[in-house]
Amino acid sequence: QPVLTQPPSLSGAQGQRVTISCTGSSSNIGAGYGVQWYQQLPGTAPKLLISGDNDRPSGVPDRFSASKSGTSASLAISGLQAEDEADYYCQSYDSGLSGSLFGGGTKLTVL
Amino acid sequence: QVQLVQSGGEVKKPGASVKVSCKASGYNFMNYGITWVRQAPGQGLEWMGWIGPNNGETNYADTVQGRVTMTTDTSTSTAYMELRSLRSDDTAFYYCARDKGLGGPLYFDSWGQGTLVTVSS
Repeated sequence: QPVLTQPPSLSGAQGQRVTISCTGSSSNIGAGYGVQWYQQLPGTAPKLLISGDNDRPSGVPDRFSASKSGTSASLAISGLQAEDEADYYCQSYDSGLSGSLFGGGTKLTVL
Repeated sequence: QVQLVQSGGEVKKPGASVKVSCKASGYNFMNYGITWVRQAPGQGLEWMGWIGPNNGETNYADTVQGRVTMTTDTSTSTAYMELRSLRSDDTAFYYCARDKGLGGPLYFDSWGQGTLVTVSS
């Protein structure tokens, strides 16, 4: 069964830069499908953070950036702020599933 | 502004069905699909399926295929998700989201507030 693998948790100090990885396979990220990133603050619905590999919707700070290489993608957050403490999910399309797929999520703690 | 407003929480017994609605406003409903995502308490996001805006084309995840039906009412810009033969592990928040994909799921740029469905005897 295709999966997108993320580290379950990550932490960083305020002002620091952190990177969240998302490892897929040849049927999703490696096939060239776009990778999206979503932020879910506690008790709220997810919010689109990055689409189409590295496009930020209006209102998303440029502290958030993403990249993709081969079968993996990553989300970088620079100048960490307390308000960035949230769960982060990657998402892509999978040709084997003929449907969409989320990573397991990464809980980011800001120290 | 784009808004997706979902129906209220539901409590159902195992074996029953639930139908969640999602009313869209602030954009042309016919120019976007709708994706449904669920999240069990304390767990991650699970994509359930997608419905296109025009001819009702659907794409369901294997995990719910056969138990789920997604529909739209274009006259009221409302999407519906019905899940049948409910089990305790269907207890989750159910979210609708506006999907940029017109021919299949792509990505989800605006989300409803979520509907908690609790399955308990």
